[in-house]
Amino acid sequence: NFMLTQPHSVSESPGKTVTISCTRSSGNIDGNYVEWYQQRPGSAPTTVIYEDDQRPSGVPDRFSGSIDRSSNSASLTISGLKTEDEADYYCQSYDSTSRVFGGGTKLTVL
Amino acid sequence: QLQLQESGPGLVKPSETLSLTCSVSGDSLSINPYFWAWIRQPPGKGLQWIGSIYYSGNTYYSPSLRGRVTISLDTSKNQFSLRLNSVTAADAAIYYCTRHPAWNHHFDYWGQGILATVSS
Repeated sequence: NFMLTQPHSVSESPGKTVTISCTRSSGNIDGNYVEWYQQRPGSAPTTVIYEDDQRPSGVPDRFSGSIDRSSNSASLTISGLKTEDEADYYCQSYDSTSRVFGGGTKLTVL
Repeated sequence: QLQLQESGPGLVKPSETLSLTCSVSGDSLSINPYFWAWIRQPPGKGLQWIGSIYYSGNTYYSPSLRGRVTISLDTSKNQFSLRLNSVTAADAAIYYCTRHPAWNHHFDYWGQGILATVSS
């Protein structure tokens, strides 16, 4: 089995750009897709990035995803931060038998 | 539009079995090549994948829960179910039913979630 490690929390000001990392402990990050979910309090998670860098319809292009093979990690970047982006963000990937979530990152926009 | 809805008792006694059902509308469980899955979230904590069942009936479970968990399909009712045996306080959580395609394992549709409390 493998783990996905995210920072516990990040904070940034409105209008700025923030990047949340997700590091895979074993296995190649580019061997299986990485997804990113946003979860606001009291709600089920919703997808902001799927298949490493794809945005579902309705997700603004301020959200982008990328993969870095050298660090075996994925990143979620949110530009032009808005107060409505304040939420928990989870990365997720898989292998042949398991689906794994990162521990989640609380984004504060202050 | 695909919709998933969890149901089941919200309160379970320690050492007993948690049983939840997910009713699916807008898609057939037995025809399309998707996985149907359960994910849980303890209060104030992160998401944990519990397990998935393929439309063919093959199952995959989290190593940490294997041995206590069973996921099954009821294609006649277009539902799938979760049974978790020998529950403890650590199993208290919001339980979500979800779907993920076989080709990218992206959890693309979620139920609203159901809170399960463990208490005598």
